[in-house]
Amino acid sequence: QVQLVQSGGEVKKPGASVKVSCKASGYTFRNYGISWVRQAPGQGLEWMGWISTYNGNTKYAQSLQGRVTLTMDTSTGTAYMELTSLRSDDTATYYCVREDCSRGSCCPDYWGQGTRVTVSS
Amino acid sequence: DIQMTQSPSIVSASVGDRVTITCRASQTVSRWLAWYQQKPGKAPDLLIYSSSTLEAGVPSRFSGSGSGTEFTLTISSLQPDDVATYYCQQYNTYSWTFGQGTKVEIK
Repeated sequence: QVQLVQSGGEVKKPGASVKVSCKASGYTFRNYGISWVRQAPGQGLEWMGWISTYNGNTKYAQSLQGRVTLTMDTSTGTAYMELTSLRSDDTATYYCVREDCSRGSCCPDYWGQGTRVTVSS
Repeated sequence: DIQMTQSPSIVSASVGDRVTITCRASQTVSRWLAWYQQKPGKAPDLLIYSSSTLEAGVPSRFSGSGSGTEFTLTISSLQPDDVATYYCQQYNTYSWTFGQGTKVEIK
């Protein structure tokens, strides 16, 4: 079965960086893109960016441009999200999301379990 | 970015009631609209994609409709397990954008 298993929670100080991993299993990694979505406590969902697992192309949310970097390791089927210059309002649960482009357009279907990142001095 | 507006923010209904949630897009998203259910402490679960296609394993009491800029999610007979927050999401263009969520409660 399809699984996206994310790394554990992190506590960081303002100005630091965090790197979250998302290991895929149960399908061919390179056939499905990965997006990252975050959710601040008690808030809604915010798309952060996308990476093509086929060729590594990326797209980023304008609000995070310059601070977020998406990468991948096709040998292990793992996607990574790195966020730099952390601020208190980056405190959130971060999700990786698989997208399935066989459903007409590229539809998000499976989500990781989430990684809680807390930014606090 | 395309703005997604959901209404209502909270709906309180009795078991067995019909519940309808509306999602409006600031510009057309064709039929590329998904609905999710999220329970506290969990990741969202896909319910419906392409506006009206039920994801495998989702109970048939859930249905979706609409195209362009107006969409609805309907729960035909509300069950206790349906207590959750529901989000719409457009995937017509990056950035994906989400509605602000509708909390469904049992009266």
